[in-house]
Amino acid sequence: GAGVSQSPRYKVAKRGQDVALRCDPISGHVSLFWYQQALGQGPEFLTYFQNEAQLDKSGLPSDRFFAERPEGSVSTLKIQRTQQEDSAVYLCASSLTTGQGYGYTFGSGTRLTVV
Amino acid sequence: GENVEQHPSTLSVQEGDSAVIKCTYSDSASNYFPWYKQELGKGPQLIIDIRSNVGEKKDQRIAVTLNKTAKHFSLHITETQPEDSAVYFCAAPDRGSTLGRLYFGRGTQLTVWP
Repeated sequence: GAGVSQSPRYKVAKRGQDVALRCDPISGHVSLFWYQQALGQGPEFLTYFQNEAQLDKSGLPSDRFFAERPEGSVSTLKIQRTQQEDSAVYLCASSLTTGQGYGYTFGSGTRLTVV
Repeated sequence: GENVEQHPSTLSVQEGDSAVIKCTYSDSASNYFPWYKQELGKGPQLIIDIRSNVGEKKDQRIAVTLNKTAKHFSLHITETQPEDSAVYFCAAPDRGSTLGRLYFGRGTQLTVWP
């Protein structure tokens, strides 16, 4: 597609529910990133995929967070047993290649509200 | 990891004036510095970036300058227009990483008054 597509745009979850957030990167982009953006803050790194391989998951805040990209294109970020502190915008970004020095293209994000 | 500080957190200017946003970083090995613009309800959009082998880069009304010795870089917007109103983020790469992870500043809310 022309850009990075994320769905849903908005998600309200009751505390304790599981949620799944989807990212469709730009076709052919090798690198895929997930970031979490709290209100009034800059994006914070969660995890990184190079094709289907998850090469860095050091930013995932707890073992309730899980991400996958099984075929090297679409990615899903899953949050189990959601807590109020999980409320944030979850941004997906993709990049044509790997390494530093290449700008990302971000999606519009999924705003998660845990009540 | 990298520590990126961004100032000011808010900036208001009159249409036609210039705006400057500054960032500092901690890792002298960092070599790539992008700036992103985020409008309400949208994801950040890359507007300009600079690599460590140059000191300045311009693209129409926006420019970025880099001082590697002092470890700071700045975004300059000239002839500001109301549509420049948004949150701007600077970023720097993860220390020693070849994977492209970025550390972002906390953002600057720019408001351009007509």
